[in-house]
Amino acid sequence: AQSVTQLDSQVPVFEEAPVELRCNYSSSVSVYLFWYVQYPNQGLQLLLKYLSGSTLVESINGFEAEFNKSQTSFHLRKPSVHISDTAEYFCAVTPNQAGTALIFGKGTTLSVSS
Amino acid sequence: ETGVTQSPTHLIKTRGQQVTLRCSSQSGHNTVSWYQQALGQGPQFIFQYYREEENGRGNFPPRFSGLQFPNYSSELNVNALELDDSALYLCASSRGQGAQETQYFGPGTRLLVL
Repeated sequence: AQSVTQLDSQVPVFEEAPVELRCNYSSSVSVYLFWYVQYPNQGLQLLLKYLSGSTLVESINGFEAEFNKSQTSFHLRKPSVHISDTAEYFCAVTPNQAGTALIFGKGTTLSVSS
Repeated sequence: ETGVTQSPTHLIKTRGQQVTLRCSSQSGHNTVSWYQQALGQGPQFIFQYYREEENGRGNFPPRFSGLQFPNYSSELNVNALELDDSALYLCASSRGQGAQETQYFGPGTRLLVL
């Protein structure tokens, strides 16, 4: 079975500061890793995903995440956040098998203030 | 905008009643997954349909059932509603059933059971 732990339930930061949202996972099989973002009253949107290859993956809006197999982590980082980044962020994993579902962490609320 | 729509947006039911939630997937997406997101939690997998057949199920009782139709629409049915069924219900569509496929989420239906 797989599980995901998001180590921080809330992360308050000031605008233009760097941020890291931490995610650790547990799995006995190889997995794919995802970060989704949920803005208020909206569904989830894919931010970025790791399938294979380079362990550093980037999104179009400045976020990046690094897959660390030895530490079973997939932390999300952004060097300078904006007010508009305020949202709920979910880390998710899925086993490398057809027909399997995303397994989500409990989420981290990122609050960016000026 | 993910191209995935859900109806209704909000719903209030009483304990013991039955409810049907609807989802319209992106054209060409043969896989639909349903998730339950309780307040303050990450989404939990209910089940997945591929080409109108259920091909994966999470830890939910049989009173949670679904249908997928050839026109890329789908339904989630819940019988004998319980108070704990109050949650945001999300559907997500993807092109295939491979684990690497990106799932595109709808905005959700918020169900309140009184």
